[in-house]
Amino acid sequence: AQSVAQPEDQVNVAEGNPLTVKCTYSVSGNPYLFWYVQYPNRGLQFLLKYITGDNLVKGSYGFEAEFNKSQTSFHLKKPSALVSDSALYFCAVSQAAGNKLTFGGGTRVLVKP
Amino acid sequence: KAGVTQTPRYLIKTRGQQVTLSCSPISGHRSVSWYQQTPGQGLQFLFEYFSETQRNKGNFPGRFSGRQFSNSRSEMNVSTLELGDSALYLCASSVGTGGTYEQYFGPGTRLTVT
Repeated sequence: AQSVAQPEDQVNVAEGNPLTVKCTYSVSGNPYLFWYVQYPNRGLQFLLKYITGDNLVKGSYGFEAEFNKSQTSFHLKKPSALVSDSALYFCAVSQAAGNKLTFGGGTRVLVKP
Repeated sequence: KAGVTQTPRYLIKTRGQQVTLSCSPISGHRSVSWYQQTPGQGLQFLFEYFSETQRNKGNFPGRFSGRQFSNSRSEMNVSTLELGDSALYLCASSVGTGGTYEQYFGPGTRLTVT
């Protein structure tokens, strides 16, 4: 069985400061890892994914994530947060058997001006 | 390209009724997955269809079913609705299946069961 943990329910950060949203996963076999963002009353938007290769993955809107196999982590980062980054962020994992995504519980990010 | 569309956007039903939700994927996408989002359980996978065949199924009772048509459009049906079925139902499409493809989500159908 696969699982994802997002240990922080909410992250508060001042605009312009670095933003980190934590994610750890548990799978048997190679993980395919994703980050999605959800704005109020909207569906999820894809940010980035790690399939294989370079451990640092760059995605949309200036976000990046670092895959760490030994720590089974896939933390999302942004060097300089914007107020518009305030949203709900989900980490997810899938495996080769299909497109079933297992999501973490989500982390609400609040960027204050 | 148009995004994933879901109809209806909002729905109110009574316990015991049944409901059908519709999803039109992005043009060229052959995989459609369905998820249920609730405050208590978070985002949970319902099922995935690829080329009209169910590829994966989540841990939901048999009251939840789905299908996919030859044009990749998909429907999900929930029979004998229960209060706990109140949720946001999200549809997602992707080019292929196999776990490596990013999924593109629709805005969801908010179902309220009274």
